[in-house]
Amino acid sequence: GAGVSQSPSNKVTEKGKDVELRCDPISGHTALYWYRQRLGQGLEFLIYFQGNSAPDKSGLPSDRFSAERTGESVSTLTIQRTQQEDSAVYLCASSDRTDTRFFGPGTRLTVL
Amino acid sequence: RKEVEQDPGPFNVPEGATVAFNCTYSNSASQSFFWYRQDCRKEPKLLMSVYSSGNEDGRFTAQLNRASQYISLLIRDSKLSDSATYLCVVNGGAGSYQLTFGKGTKLSVIP
Repeated sequence: GAGVSQSPSNKVTEKGKDVELRCDPISGHTALYWYRQRLGQGLEFLIYFQGNSAPDKSGLPSDRFSAERTGESVSTLTIQRTQQEDSAVYLCASSDRTDTRFFGPGTRLTVL
Repeated sequence: RKEVEQDPGPFNVPEGATVAFNCTYSNSASQSFFWYRQDCRKEPKLLMSVYSSGNEDGRFTAQLNRASQYISLLIRDSKLSDSATYLCVVNGGAGSYQLTFGKGTKLSVIP
């Protein structure tokens, strides 16, 4: 079956612009996560969606970051007024259990 | 102390060698433990779960020492295709959805 898909695969933007990243989870997976991975670093948790519950936004690094999810399907991560330190790979994962993660291929964001 | 700590490597080993990776974690409430594999410029993928009694999957053996809060991964008869970064992953406690990922240990298997 289809895995987690993300788009775009690469995004180059200028400092100060807004960007929107998209994630399509595996069908039937109620949980969806966003992570950030800077070059040479570990995965940094950003946000968690579970069904219709209020999302856990505790990992969002600033109010420039926001995310939405429509029901149990697509999610978008928006970064406003991008900064150079936002350059990273943004990984989306979905799961049907609390201790599993199926990752998408990521969006590589470069802020010039 | 970092939540999940790993030797970053790189470990450069010849084909056929046995190599071991270690990981320590700080949250004594953690209940679930995993090793993920991440190839260069790819997403992490689950390699294996780690059980209290230790478990083996082909050439891979994982062990857990709860008292020392220590996890290990042993790879026997290394293949070129084993070259990747190995991430130690620990959950936040019983029923927790949070997973904490280590920064990973890079392995290069050399012909």
